[in-house]
Amino acid sequence: DVKVTQSSRYLVKRTGEKVFLECVQDMDHENMFWYRQDPGLGLRLIYFSYDVKMKEKGDIPEGYSVSREKKERFSLILESASTNQTSMYLCASSLSGTGPPEQYFGPGTRLTVT
Amino acid sequence: GNSVTQMEGPVTLSEEAFLTINCTYTATGYPSLFWYVQYPGEGLQLLLKATKADDKGSNKGFEATYRKETTSFHLEKGSVQVSDSAVYFCAVASGGSYIPTFGRGTSLIVHP
Repeated sequence: DVKVTQSSRYLVKRTGEKVFLECVQDMDHENMFWYRQDPGLGLRLIYFSYDVKMKEKGDIPEGYSVSREKKERFSLILESASTNQTSMYLCASSLSGTGPPEQYFGPGTRLTVT
Repeated sequence: GNSVTQMEGPVTLSEEAFLTINCTYTATGYPSLFWYVQYPGEGLQLLLKATKADDKGSNKGFEATYRKETTSFHLEKGSVQVSDSAVYFCAVASGGSYIPTFGRGTSLIVHP
């Protein structure tokens, strides 16, 4: 089974802190994604990566950056956390190719910024 | 770009009731369609998918048929259980993109 793990299930940080969210997948997937999930807004794509050291902005990249130094690991960085970044963060991965792009999700990190 | 419209929730049902969650989409080309489910406290997981018109995806008693003429992919289950309580997301991907567009999700609550 594909497994996507995230470093923390719950995280509480203070305004202005630098925050790292880590995601690791074990199925050699090329593509990795970071979403945030908020009530009434569904999933919104922050950043994605289709290869090591490659990254692309999603719909809401402001205030975030990412790093992908190894194929299995994709990190989301909040340079200076703010209260409006309190949310559920979901990491996902998928295989490249001609098949339908199924995504595999981690359990999520619920981040609270106070 | 692609878009997905799902019925708003919550949908509240008694156990063994029939479930329908509506989903319509707009997309270019020949899209693939998906339903994902998110149980409380968990990430999303793929429930079922369909890749061409008239395909029926099915899993765990849930079904959805790819209707190109009505651009719909409604989720159905004949008899829901309390354990089906979750949030359900419809998604579409097309044009060679590996990034799906998700609907906003529909919460299902099933009472004993």
